[in-house]
Amino acid sequence: GAVVSQHPSRVICKSGTSVKIECRSLDFQATTMFWYRQFPKQSLMLMATSNEGSKATYEQGVEKDKFLINHASLTLSTLTVTSAHPEDSSFYICSARGQTTYGYTFGSGTRLTVV
Amino acid sequence: RKEVEQDPGPFNVPEGATVAFNCTYSNSASQSFFWYRQDCRKEPKLLMSVYSSGNEDGRFTAQLNRASQYISLLIRDSKLSDSATYLCVVTLNQAGTALIFGKGTTLSVSS
Repeated sequence: GAVVSQHPSRVICKSGTSVKIECRSLDFQATTMFWYRQFPKQSLMLMATSNEGSKATYEQGVEKDKFLINHASLTLSTLTVTSAHPEDSSFYICSARGQTTYGYTFGSGTRLTVV
Repeated sequence: RKEVEQDPGPFNVPEGATVAFNCTYSNSASQSFFWYRQDCRKEPKLLMSVYSSGNEDGRFTAQLNRASQYISLLIRDSKLSDSATYLCVVTLNQAGTALIFGKGTTLSVSS
């Protein structure tokens, strides 16, 4: 079946630094990538949608200059949290959909802790 | 109003119990419906799709009522391994549209 590899699984960074999260589709072409964020005891909230080769579309309230999304190829999308602060600590997870794959394939998630 | 609303939970039940979860969605244009399961600190995993005719997968039965925009999940003969958070999910199912998640209902099955 379709697999999305997400790295890193956990990261601790200092306040003010940037962190890059990668999601790779291993056996299919991810034409669309969705990025979610989940705070404790909350639902997965959609942050942005990106299509390969296009600029990402951000949900209301999500700062596009803070959460940089790149989807330059059909197998790789990245989310960079710039100038991270403790309130950015959360579980970030990607979900990919391809033209020929049915359904949504999730990465395993990244737990970000900003100290 | 949230797009997808679920029972707040948590549900604490003994092994063998039957438990039902409810969910409502606000967007009448929603086309596809799912129940996902999420274990602590893990990615959500598809449990089952939900169809208007109702569908069953072993101990799990899902129902959809489009008129009232209501979705349900019934778990019979609960197992310890069923302990998890159950997420109600909807989507417009158009190209480029994302899954919209409910907050989830936590189930704890005890022996």
